[in-house]
Amino acid sequence: AQSVTQPDIHITVSEGASLELRCNYSYGATPYLFWYVQSPGQGLQLLLKYFSGDTLVQGIKGFEAEFKRSQSSFNLRKPSVHWSDAAEYFCAVVLKDAGNMLTFGGGTRLMVKP
Amino acid sequence: DGGITQSPKYLFRKEGQNVTLSCEQNLNHDAMYWYRQDPGQGLRLIYYSQIVNDFQKGDIAEGYSVSREKKESFPLTVTSAQKNPTAFYLCASSMRRGANTPVTDTQYFGPGTRLTVL
Repeated sequence: AQSVTQPDIHITVSEGASLELRCNYSYGATPYLFWYVQSPGQGLQLLLKYFSGDTLVQGIKGFEAEFKRSQSSFNLRKPSVHWSDAAEYFCAVVLKDAGNMLTFGGGTRLMVKP
Repeated sequence: DGGITQSPKYLFRKEGQNVTLSCEQNLNHDAMYWYRQDPGQGLRLIYYSQIVNDFQKGDIAEGYSVSREKKESFPLTVTSAQKNPTAFYLCASSMRRGANTPVTDTQYFGPGTRLTVL
């Protein structure tokens, strides 16, 4: 079955430490790829997206993500985490030529220690 | 300010009652979507509409209904047939993909409505 997997349900990092959130997809073709962030009780905000071209994508709030076709991955990174980054992060994909339907991973909740 | 608004933010419903969640956007987007989010889970698509007066079922449409009479509005009704309606509901919108825009368009989300059935 086609799916999006975020293997880490919870991650805790210290403020100032680097961060990597994992996302893997299982589709035959390369989908369009997104990362969203959700603060508690809020809607989702787009961090970045990958459609084609350079496999390293820069987003807002100092986040970046790298698409690796060989690993079917689109991991989100930040070199130095701030306390305000504590939130839930969702990876999502859209299959090309399949409408604009987003399929979400289960999310990773990030906690930041002072 | 352009954006997507959802109301109310919190909604309580007695079992057996229908309830309607509002979603309005002033982004001039053609497509609108409704998602359901349960604790510890990702979002699941309930219904979507690519254009006015047209909508399609998503993955979990049973017990829900929608209408799209205006471009700006896409209300969701949670009916008494929905067996487990307590959840966080998110509305989103995007530009419609057309023949000259083969790349998919980003979905922008509203702030959500938390529905609790008492």
